[in-house]
Amino acid sequence: NAGVMQNPRHLVRRRGQEARLRCSPMKGHSHVYWYRQLPEEGLKFMVYLQKENIIDESGMPKERFSAEFPKEGPSILRIQQVVRGDSAAYFCASSPGIMNEQYFGPGTRLTVT
Amino acid sequence: RKEVEQDPGPFNVPEGATVAFNCTYSNSASQSFFWYRQDCRKEPKLLMSVYSSGNEDGRFTAQLNRASQYISLLIRDSKLSDSATYLCVVKREEGGKLIFGQGTELSVKP
Repeated sequence: NAGVMQNPRHLVRRRGQEARLRCSPMKGHSHVYWYRQLPEEGLKFMVYLQKENIIDESGMPKERFSAEFPKEGPSILRIQQVVRGDSAAYFCASSPGIMNEQYFGPGTRLTVT
Repeated sequence: RKEVEQDPGPFNVPEGATVAFNCTYSNSASQSFFWYRQDCRKEPKLLMSVYSSGNEDGRFTAQLNRASQYISLLIRDSKLSDSATYLCVVKREEGGKLIFGQGTELSVKP
């Protein structure tokens, strides 16, 4: 059973470009969560999605960030007009249900130059 | 004040030592509790869930004190491979989001 998959593993973007990060949950998991880890900081929750629904986006910055989890395909975290402060590791986690443990993917390391 | 607080360490211990990590949380609505480990800022890996009755998994023992809002992790007979950052994590009664402590760094030396 493959674990949570994320791609790309590393992404370099210039300021002002768009970044798209993908997450495929574990088989049988319909709940997806995105977390961000800034350099020298702890992990912070961003957004929680189920298929086609955003359940909790209380951790998402108000502008430039969006997330989706379509009926078919991976969950996408999209960052428009990236700035240097967006440089971080973005981790996706999945679980079979809201009460279950969350398992993390390897992360996408975004560098904004 | 952070919602989940941990001693950042680092804890430097010799192989075979017993080491204990403490964690406090401020929100009494917290419902579920976990310890994760993170190696070199790679993905967090679930070490164990923490139950009110306390639980043990091999060399690892976790305790929860809801009245004091305090969680602990004890590692016995430390191995070199235990070197990592240990993350105390809580989940509130509502919603699915995990709230992470800053982590406690452990370095086990030969």
